[in-house]
Amino acid sequence: ELKVEQNPLFLSMQEGKNYTIYCNYSTTSDRLYWYRQDPGKSLESLFVLLSNGAVKQEGRLMASLDTKARLSTLHITAAVHDLSATYFCAVDKSAGNMLTFGGGTRLMVKP
Amino acid sequence: DADVTQTPRNRITKTGKRIMLECSQTKGHDRMYWYRQDPGLGLRLIYYSFDVKDINKGEISDGYSVSRQAQAKFSLSLESAIPNQTALYFCATSDPPAGGRNEQFFGPGTRLTVL
Repeated sequence: ELKVEQNPLFLSMQEGKNYTIYCNYSTTSDRLYWYRQDPGKSLESLFVLLSNGAVKQEGRLMASLDTKARLSTLHITAAVHDLSATYFCAVDKSAGNMLTFGGGTRLMVKP
Repeated sequence: DADVTQTPRNRITKTGKRIMLECSQTKGHDRMYWYRQDPGLGLRLIYYSFDVKDINKGEISDGYSVSRQAQAKFSLSLESAIPNQTALYFCATSDPPAGGRNEQFFGPGTRLTVL
């Protein structure tokens, strides 16, 4: 059974600081997704990581994938308040587009 | 107009009632999914359908059923609702993975409360 674990579950940080969210998963997969969810809203796709060593960047967010370590990271650079949201990673375990989600990391960026 | 729509957006019902949640998409995707979201547990897959004639159980299908009426429509039913089915329900769509991004696109969600 595939298990996906994120940490931390909750992160409160000051504007301008850097931090990293971790996503560990238990079985082999080479396809990993990051989503953002604002309170009361749907999920918005942020990154799709399709191979070992993949790195994607969008603004202050950068995601990477290490399939050998079964680890993905979402790095936040110089956080701003607008990044406050819950972030989910999801793993496609069979290349069949069936996703298993982590529990989410709730990020709060304080002025 | 939104690519993936869900109705109703909010519903309060009583234990034992039959409830249907509907999902429609204009993205032309073959694959559709139903998830539920509970606080702290992320999203869990209830059912998925890879085409109109292909429906499969997900991780937590007990107490739920689905119907794929057309490529664009996928409904989730709770035959006899119970309080622990109170949750936020999401529909999602995707194309078959044939290279490329293949991410799932989510509807706005339905907040269901069972009293």
